[in-house]
Amino acid sequence: DAGVIQSPRHEVTEMGQEVTLRCKPISGHNSLFWYRQTMMRGLELLIYFNNNVPIDDSGMPEDRFSAKMPNASFSTLKIQPSEPRDSAVYFCASIGRGLAGVYEQYFGPGTRLTVT
Amino acid sequence: AQSVTQPDIHITVSEGASLELRCNYSYGATPYLFWYVQSPGQGLQLLLKYFSGDTLVQGIKGFEAEFKRSQSSFNLRKPSVHWSDAAEYFCAVGVLRAGSYQLTFGKGTKLSVIP
Repeated sequence: DAGVIQSPRHEVTEMGQEVTLRCKPISGHNSLFWYRQTMMRGLELLIYFNNNVPIDDSGMPEDRFSAKMPNASFSTLKIQPSEPRDSAVYFCASIGRGLAGVYEQYFGPGTRLTVT
Repeated sequence: AQSVTQPDIHITVSEGASLELRCNYSYGATPYLFWYVQSPGQGLQLLLKYFSGDTLVQGIKGFEAEFKRSQSSFNLRKPSVHWSDAAEYFCAVGVLRAGSYQLTFGKGTKLSVIP
């Protein structure tokens, strides 16, 4: 299994531009999470989906942020317009059964976003 | 709401020395507890988890953690640290919600290892 796949790995954009981050969860996993990591705030949960349905988006910082999961194998996180304070590493994670049947959360490698 | 505190921002140990990273949580019910490790430029990798049963949990890379309900703690330990253990370590509490569970993370403890 390729694990959780995120693209791009690095994104540099100018303030005001639209940014789209992509995630492909592990096949068979039915929950998907988007996190943001910064030095100041640590790891923050932005939104999560269960069976493609958004369950909790209370962590989404502003209306500039939106996330979709059109099917079980793909999700996007969009920022429009982007601002310098959005610079962070964005992680996607999915949940599935690990060894002994216990649910585990698997993280992707992250997208490092820099907004200038 | 649940929360996790990792009191140590940065710890430095010598290679071969023992290690203990502290984690305290706040949650009203029985928690699901996790430790993750993050190497520079990488995603988070699960080290170990506690769901129920034996309060001493063994993980990968020689790590273990002990759940102490009376102290609301889940400290991570390793008897002998290797240089490759230098990374950032995150403790998390998981809450079941709507058929899944979401994690709340601590701010992390950065581990440096002196050769």
